[in-house]
Amino acid sequence: EIVLTQSPGTLSLSPGERATLSCRASQIVSSSFLAWYQQRPGQAPRLLIDGASSRATGIPDRFSGSGSGTDFTLTITRLEPEDFAVYYCQQYGSSPPYTFGQGTKLEIK
Amino acid sequence: EVQLVESGGGLVKPGGSPRLSCAASGFTFSDAWMSWVRQAPGKGLEWVGRIKSKTDGGTTDYAAPVKGRFTISRDDSKNTLYLQMNSLKTEDTAVYYCTTHLIMQDHFDCWGQGTLVTVSS
Repeated sequence: EIVLTQSPGTLSLSPGERATLSCRASQIVSSSFLAWYQQRPGQAPRLLIDGASSRATGIPDRFSGSGSGTDFTLTITRLEPEDFAVYYCQQYGSSPPYTFGQGTKLEIK
Repeated sequence: EVQLVESGGGLVKPGGSPRLSCAASGFTFSDAWMSWVRQAPGKGLEWVGRIKSKTDGGTTDYAAPVKGRFTISRDDSKNTLYLQMNSLKTEDTAVYYCTTHLIMQDHFDCWGQGTLVTVSS
């Protein structure tokens, strides 16, 4: 099983600042199979990024994904108030096919 | 617009057997692979299981913690996905989300609002 470890656990920033969230895998993950999700309080998760770097439909361009191998990054430039949420990375592989990181909470400083 | 509406959650005793439903609309349900993902209170996301489209065999896969106890099925004539949960344990307490794999099988495109299942005596 591929384990995804996200860091930091909590990130405290101010609106307008830049956020960098990390997702590290215990084994190599195909870049095609790494996704990021945002979950606001009380809401269901929503897809932000798939294929490591492709924004999902309707996602603002201040969100970007990068990385390969075992190290992946979600970057949010110019934080907006609605961006403060929990972010999860997710990989697709085999047995089990889908695993998530434990999440990074992005909170207002 | 894709809509996924889960139902069937509630308070269940340990050992209980509820069935969750997910009514889908806004896409060709019969062509879609579907998954259930759960989230225990205050915790992260955990994939539960997946069902392929009948065109792709209609087969199912499950996460180890639920294999042998949970069964995913679909009724394409009703655009509805099901999760039959048997032999429930307290650790199955979670919000259960219905999700789609519309574009590619590797990620979850759309999510329902979730339904809470609480397992407690």
